[in-house]
Amino acid sequence: GQQLNQSPQSMFIQEGEDVSMNCTSSSIFNTWLWYKQDPGEGPVLLIALYKAGELTSNGRLTAQFGITRKDSFLNISASIPSDVGIYFCAGGFNAGGTSYGKLTFGQGTILTVHP
Amino acid sequence: DTGVSQDPRHKITKRGQNVTFRCDPISEHNRLYWYRQTLGQGPEFLTYFQNEAQLEKSRLLSDRFSAERPKGSFSTLEIQRTEQGDSAMYLCASSPQGAGTDTQYFGPGTRLTVL
Repeated sequence: GQQLNQSPQSMFIQEGEDVSMNCTSSSIFNTWLWYKQDPGEGPVLLIALYKAGELTSNGRLTAQFGITRKDSFLNISASIPSDVGIYFCAGGFNAGGTSYGKLTFGQGTILTVHP
Repeated sequence: DTGVSQDPRHKITKRGQNVTFRCDPISEHNRLYWYRQTLGQGPEFLTYFQNEAQLEKSRLLSDRFSAERPKGSFSTLEIQRTEQGDSAMYLCASSPQGAGTDTQYFGPGTRLTVL
């Protein structure tokens, strides 16, 4: 099925560095979500974006909803070892606030943080 | 407030056997979703329910798959005559009705291995 294009596929960084990853789509979405997944577990919601141009922070995480509605990025500042995991973007579409249901996911960005 | 729960967490079965998974959503959420995730990929949508009504089914949901949510609370996903290609993580998610219906919260998943 259709998936979003997420980049980079993997990142190896030193503790304390900032991280940036993004997600692009050929289709528009009016909700963008970012999740983190640890091995053997389900995705955990990090940030939800509902409006084009919206910039939202959650602690050291900042995400933006692109103005074209076809892209989003996630920044992590001052990375720590527990940031290790797989980060997924997901796009959703709704009309009048009621969701059409499914989310479309990217392939994920694998983040490794060296202490 | 408990999150989404899934049972079992792991299932190993032989090809040709039937398996059934259970999902209990967040209690006030009336929407429930099933996704499948294979190694190195993001979750792929299978189906979703609003209360007890099944509103959408993906082409990934072959005739061997059936999902139910009889009382609008927990849901079951059954796979009949399992094949090796069914080996994957099966994820359940739930979301509230109204604003934010796209904001889906995932359970820990059921890892299926078909031998």
